[in-house]
Amino acid sequence: ETGVTQTPRHLVMGMTNKKSLKCEQHLGHNAMYWYKQSAKKPLELMFVYSLEERVENNSVPSRFSPECPNSSHLFLHLHTLQPEDSALYLCASSQFSGANTGELFFGEGSRLTVL
Amino acid sequence: GENVEQHPSTLSVQEGDSAVIKCTYSDSASNYFPWYKQELGKRPQLIIDIRSNVGEKKDQRIAVTLNKTAKHFSLHITETQPEDSAVYFCAASKGSGGYNKLIFGAGTRLAVHP
Repeated sequence: ETGVTQTPRHLVMGMTNKKSLKCEQHLGHNAMYWYKQSAKKPLELMFVYSLEERVENNSVPSRFSPECPNSSHLFLHLHTLQPEDSALYLCASSQFSGANTGELFFGEGSRLTVL
Repeated sequence: GENVEQHPSTLSVQEGDSAVIKCTYSDSASNYFPWYKQELGKRPQLIIDIRSNVGEKKDQRIAVTLNKTAKHFSLHITETQPEDSAVYFCAASKGSGGYNKLIFGAGTRLAVHP
């Protein structure tokens, strides 16, 4: 285990549903990330939280809404999604300070299918 | 913004051969270049990384080289084994501000045949 846990691992939802993805890190890191992984495309950075403050929002549609209530938890709230939003959503965390490389530790991902 | 190009998209080698994957980046301020390996159905995991003040780094059968002038970096795997089969991603970042904004390449699917 890398210390980053994502739930659920699989999610199927209709376009009118509201659901949430959850990420929890047990590594004491100070930054958390959401990435989207689609087939044959680079991992796309969606959001970054550093010290519980959102510091990056890469032009993500408003139907994706992140939440970081504390340094160990990160959520991605989903509503009125489109079929093209079907993908693997990866959460990651890192500790970037001083000489630390800031290596990203990824969770196993949540496989989302939008019908 | 930063853009990372990765080639080839697929690579097939015989066991024992070497494999080379190449990446280019666009932002000359990038200073951190990790490589991640993702096995089928698994999470991406860091296998090696290099900072901009170093030209080459080795870890057993894996090495990474960096050419800052050309904005190229490469992953070299020697004596490949079937368990090296996976998708490999390069990435680049400026690594500042207390977090690591990694921009990834599209990935290379490596198949090592016994």
